[in-house]
Amino acid sequence: GENVEQHPSTLSVQEGDSAVIKCTYSDSASNYFPWYKQELGKRPQLIIDIRSNVGEKKDQRIAVTLNKTAKHFSLHITETQPEDSAVYFCAGGYQKVTFGTGTKLQVIP
Amino acid sequence: NAGVTQTPKFQVLKTGQSMTLQCAQDMNHNSMYWYRQDPGMGLRLIYYSASEGTTDKGEVPNGYNVSRLNKREFSLRLESAAPSQTSVYFCASSDLGGQGVPQHFGDGTRLSIL
Repeated sequence: GENVEQHPSTLSVQEGDSAVIKCTYSDSASNYFPWYKQELGKRPQLIIDIRSNVGEKKDQRIAVTLNKTAKHFSLHITETQPEDSAVYFCAGGYQKVTFGTGTKLQVIP
Repeated sequence: NAGVTQTPKFQVLKTGQSMTLQCAQDMNHNSMYWYRQDPGMGLRLIYYSASEGTTDKGEVPNGYNVSRLNKREFSLRLESAAPSQTSVYFCASSDLGGQGVPQHFGDGTRLSIL
């Protein structure tokens, strides 16, 4: 099955700086890569996704990139705000997705 | 519009007891999922149902059974609870067709097994 690795496990940035979270996957058949945000004690929320026929996708301050050759994809958050503080999960797969282990992002005011 | 509703929110069981976690969605989604979340391990798929009448095993199905009662409801049953099943359980639903990607999650059930 698919194996998704996520780095770093924790990330602290100053408010206004950018944050980048990276994930790698193992199965070349994987074609869908969603990202989720989970605030402390809350449910995961799907925030953005990318399909394997697209290299980059943006939604306001959030962007995802995908490198199929290298089998890695990344989440970029620009102009970070305190409300961006949460755990972010990447996922990837084909027909079923496997989750990464999460990145705890702390935005310092 | 409630989205995905899970009951109960909290539960404490003794080893060997059985219980059923309930999940219902009101978005007319075809696909539904059960995940467990343990510290440092992300979300792991227990079972999923791509459509009414079908269920399939995920990564960690042992010790669990599921029922897709109708399009709205997808229940998870622990027949004989074990301490290793202490976790937070999330139900999710999706209308992304065959992608197997959960879109909307419930609030979770926090389950402790003593």
